[in-house]
Amino acid sequence: DTEVTQTPKHLVMGMTNKKSLKCEQHMGHRAMYWYKQKAKKPPELMFVYSYEKLSINESVPSRFSPECPNSSLLNLHLHALQPEDSALYLCASSLGHSNQPQHFGDGTRLSIL
Amino acid sequence: QKEVEQDPGPLSVPEGAIVSLNCTYSNSAFQYFMWYRQYSRKGPELLMYTYSSGNKEDGRFTAQVDKSSKYISLFIRDSQPSDSATYLCAMTFEGDDKIIFGKGTRLHILP
Repeated sequence: DTEVTQTPKHLVMGMTNKKSLKCEQHMGHRAMYWYKQKAKKPPELMFVYSYEKLSINESVPSRFSPECPNSSLLNLHLHALQPEDSALYLCASSLGHSNQPQHFGDGTRLSIL
Repeated sequence: QKEVEQDPGPLSVPEGAIVSLNCTYSNSAFQYFMWYRQYSRKGPELLMYTYSSGNKEDGRFTAQVDKSSKYISLFIRDSQPSDSATYLCAMTFEGDDKIIFGKGTRLHILP
């Protein structure tokens, strides 16, 4: 079991639905990340929160909306997604906002119908 | 440039063999060097990381960094079928939140 917990593990949604992915860590880490991973590819960075402030947005479409309610929680709100958005969405955390190693959750496998 | 080269494999070796996984990089500004293991339908698991050149050992795993050659390696001794997974090398720069990943090497340990 990882120390970064993501829910749900699987999600199937239509293109008009609104849903949210959730991530929680209790390691006292102050940086949290969202990644998207397609099959047989490395993870691609989407967003970085450092000390609960959005510090990096990798030009992700606005149909993805991140939120960091506190230092332990990270959400990703989804709306009007496209079939090409089907992927494994990974949350990660690290000790601070520098270049320290990141710890990943097991992801949410998202399918868009 | 922030590129990391890693052979995607697949790499198949018999159980008990020593496995050598490698990555090369072009930018000498990289500072942290990491190896992740990812099983199918799971997230990447941080196996080992090092901040400097040299070797770091943890059980059957040894990570090696050669900054002069811009080359990093992961050795797995006494390989087991449970080691079958994709191994991702990764690196970061000082003051940068981004991890630069290699493409990952798919490893199969044959019983």
